[in-house]
Amino acid sequence: QVQLKETGPGLVQPTQTLSITCTVSGFSLTSYYMQWVRQTPGKGLEWMGFIRSGGSTEYNSEFKSRLSISRDTSKNQVFLKMNSLKTEDTGVYYCARDNYSSPFAYWGQGTLVTVSS
Amino acid sequence: EIVLTQSPTTMAASPGEKVTITCRASSSVSYMHWFQQKSGTSPKPWIYDTSKLASGVPDRFSGSGSGTSYSLTISSMEAEDAATYYCLQRSSYPHTFGAGTKLELK
Repeated sequence: QVQLKETGPGLVQPTQTLSITCTVSGFSLTSYYMQWVRQTPGKGLEWMGFIRSGGSTEYNSEFKSRLSISRDTSKNQVFLKMNSLKTEDTGVYYCARDNYSSPFAYWGQGTLVTVSS
Repeated sequence: EIVLTQSPTTMAASPGEKVTITCRASSSVSYMHWFQQKSGTSPKPWIYDTSKLASGVPDRFSGSGSGTSYSLTISSMEAEDAATYYCLQRSSYPHTFGAGTKLELK
């Protein structure tokens, strides 16, 4: 069955870089779009960006040049990297998979990221 | 950016009561999608393409709307429906979510 699981550092210091891995099973990354969404106390649910089945990406301009999404299809992993972290980046980060007809059809459990010194 | 405004922000409904949650978009969108989230869990797809129920969603739920005004309706409230509901538009970038409507059982 379809499974997604995020792994992240838990605690990150301000100005540092966040790296989260989404490991998937039950499907191929070359067949579906993979999304990143976060949920913060200040802004609620925010769409961050996605990587298409073909490997191209789309980002929310809110994150400007701070954000990068990539993947390793051989390892069934999708990566989120965001630099210049601020305390307001504290929240739960989710990866999600689209279906052909419905967006965000499957979600990971989320990983809590706390930005603090 | 299209801003989605949900109303009400919070509400309480008694078992059997009809519930309507509204999502208004700052510009016209082609479809609206809805998610249900319970405390401590990931959002779940609930309604997609305005009116299609996701797998496993009870048929007491329905979705409707067009343009800038969309709604999620529960025909008869049940205890398990208590949750926060979010709307999502992906007609334009950036994709945006509403702030959520917290539905409680009265």
